[in-house]
Amino acid sequence: DAGVTQSPTHLIKTRGQQVTLRCSPISGHKSVSWYQQVLGQGPQFIFQYYEKEERGRGNFPDRFSARQFPNYSSELNVNALLLGDSALYLCASSQLVLNEKLFFGSGTQLSVL
Amino acid sequence: ELKVEQNPLFLSMQEGKNYTIYCNYSTTSDRLYWYRQDPGKSLESLFVLLSNGAVKQEGRLMASLDTKARLSTLHITAAVHDLSATYFCAVVRDSGNTPLVFGKGTRLSVIA
Repeated sequence: DAGVTQSPTHLIKTRGQQVTLRCSPISGHKSVSWYQQVLGQGPQFIFQYYEKEERGRGNFPDRFSARQFPNYSSELNVNALLLGDSALYLCASSQLVLNEKLFFGSGTQLSVL
Repeated sequence: ELKVEQNPLFLSMQEGKNYTIYCNYSTTSDRLYWYRQDPGKSLESLFVLLSNGAVKQEGRLMASLDTKARLSTLHITAAVHDLSATYFCAVVRDSGNTPLVFGKGTRLSVIA
């Protein structure tokens, strides 16, 4: 079975642009979470979606938004990019809304110039 | 606010030696996770610890949890080069639907 898949793997944007990151969870997993990992730090929670509804939101500005589709895949959108948005964005899936065990994708490395 | 602290943040150890990584957290938690991350790669789940006194072992790694002390340890036995990676602990604040809070990670380098 395929694991959590994310696309693209790498992305370069300039300040002020918008970006969309995509995630497909493991088959049968209904919950998707997004985390931001800045170089040298641990991942920080951005959003969690379960059954297409937002179930949690971290301390990130409104420039960050996300959604989950009927097939449980998810998109993370970031508007008006700042240099500080440069990071590895990780998607994780789990079967249920409770984080009993998260399976992480390989991430999207976003560079903002 | 739940805070998770790991120490040391950097660890250079010789092959064959033993060492322990510590993870302290600030509030009551039901679950504690250990993850491994290789450079440029994603997070690999190592252990999930669910109760006080829980101990889990996989190969040269052993994790334990003391919920009263709010402390987890990851013990490395007879280190080998393949264990070189960054190790993260992560904690869930309570049994509800709360996100994982990660420590800053311990960057382990095993040298010959």
